[in-house]
Amino acid sequence: GAVVSQHPSWVICKSGTSVKIECRSLDFQATTMFWYRQFPKQSLMLMATSNEGSKATYEQGVEKDKFLINHASLTLSTLTVTSAHPEDSSFYICSARKTGAKQETQYFGPGTRLLVL
Amino acid sequence: LAKTTQPISMDSYEGQEVNITCSHNNIATNDYITWYQQFPSQGPRFIIQGYKTKVTNEVASLFIPADRKSSTLSLPRVSLSDTAVYYCLVGLIYGGSQGNLIFGKGTKLSVKP
Repeated sequence: GAVVSQHPSWVICKSGTSVKIECRSLDFQATTMFWYRQFPKQSLMLMATSNEGSKATYEQGVEKDKFLINHASLTLSTLTVTSAHPEDSSFYICSARKTGAKQETQYFGPGTRLLVL
Repeated sequence: LAKTTQPISMDSYEGQEVNITCSHNNIATNDYITWYQQFPSQGPRFIIQGYKTKVTNEVASLFIPADRKSSTLSLPRVSLSDTAVYYCLVGLIYGGSQGNLIFGKGTKLSVKP
């Protein structure tokens, strides 16, 4: 199998606070994980690529100081939304890349719903 | 990264076979084709992945012509629970460790009783 978990599944916070979201690959090691954001009725937008032991690579337009990514182990990546504001309210989804003998596949977590009041 | 084009929506009835075609004219030699299914408020679920010809698993079949500029996801005998958005993606590097997935708009499949 290839299971990816996220915690928490949903979070409500006040504007100005920071929120940390965890992404774990439960039954495989993932040197690379990805963070996406999805607004209602829209597709997933890649925010950043998280590599174990190194700095994340952010997509154009994503503020790296606002969305802090840490990938400290082969099974865990965290996304911290710093000083969250209502416009950061969204569905955040992570994925982990599983490497096989010939190909690679990304497996996605269940997502985290963030609501900033 | 190769862009993909899919129909925005499709309707079907229970028990029918559904074929969703995706165009990816500028697919690279090392790109794989991957399909995901997403239900509302859930993360995408891996359905099937292929490089060329035909791939079949317990859920679906994937048909890829020789030029690889398109692919067709085939869902046999759909049920109401197959109502979801289906995404076609290309971009994983064959045998490598680079590349990420860029999501297009997907195809919203509605299965009716």
